[in-house]
Amino acid sequence: DTEVTQTPKHLVMGMTNKKSLKCEQHMGHRAMYWYKQKAKKPPELMFVYSYEKLSINESVPSRFSPECPNSSLLNLHLHALQPEDSALYLCASAQGWVGAQETQYFGPGTRLLVL
Amino acid sequence: GQQVMQIPQYQHVQEGEDFTTYCNSSTTLSNIQWYKQRPGGHPVFLIQLVKSGEVKKQKRLTFQFGEAKKNSSLHITATQTTDVGTYFCAGLGGGNYKLTFGKGTLLTVNP
Repeated sequence: DTEVTQTPKHLVMGMTNKKSLKCEQHMGHRAMYWYKQKAKKPPELMFVYSYEKLSINESVPSRFSPECPNSSLLNLHLHALQPEDSALYLCASAQGWVGAQETQYFGPGTRLLVL
Repeated sequence: GQQVMQIPQYQHVQEGEDFTTYCNSSTTLSNIQWYKQRPGGHPVFLIQLVKSGEVKKQKRLTFQFGEAKKNSSLHITATQTTDVGTYFCAGLGGGNYKLTFGKGTLLTVNP
């Protein structure tokens, strides 16, 4: 099973809302990633978890808060977002530790619209 | 920081024509990965190249990694409408923890 799942597929939220994005993989991967992708642009790395610990934060605003409850799950908590945060949010996982030369497997993403 | 340039940005072909996209890195890469993203979809892993001068084939797709491990190409022979999408290269530099994506090449195919 090389599948990464993400929920919800679509999300519309107001600037005062609090919501969460969820990602799950059952491949035994130990590195998990959050990316943000704007239309017609490549994915931009936001966070990396390695062995359930936050390893990398690419200077992401604090209105985005990641969480890794266990080795299979990755959440992204959203609060007080701005309209410019509207994008496709992709989760990915890789077998090894951060920095290893591992293939990243992407989930289908959550399309977020902030009104 | 590491940069990966990808050209062309767009390519429109007639079905049956060949297509090539090129990536060039500012630094030597440990490996390079290629992804395809269909319109409205998510990036799907195609292949990873690790060795200098490596060439890999997947049916009509041929991937090359340059001798200096700073450039790579993806060539599609006899394109089909199912090849439509954006092709991204993504390089991992020595000691770097993250993939650096090229800007992608959007391929459209006229049937």
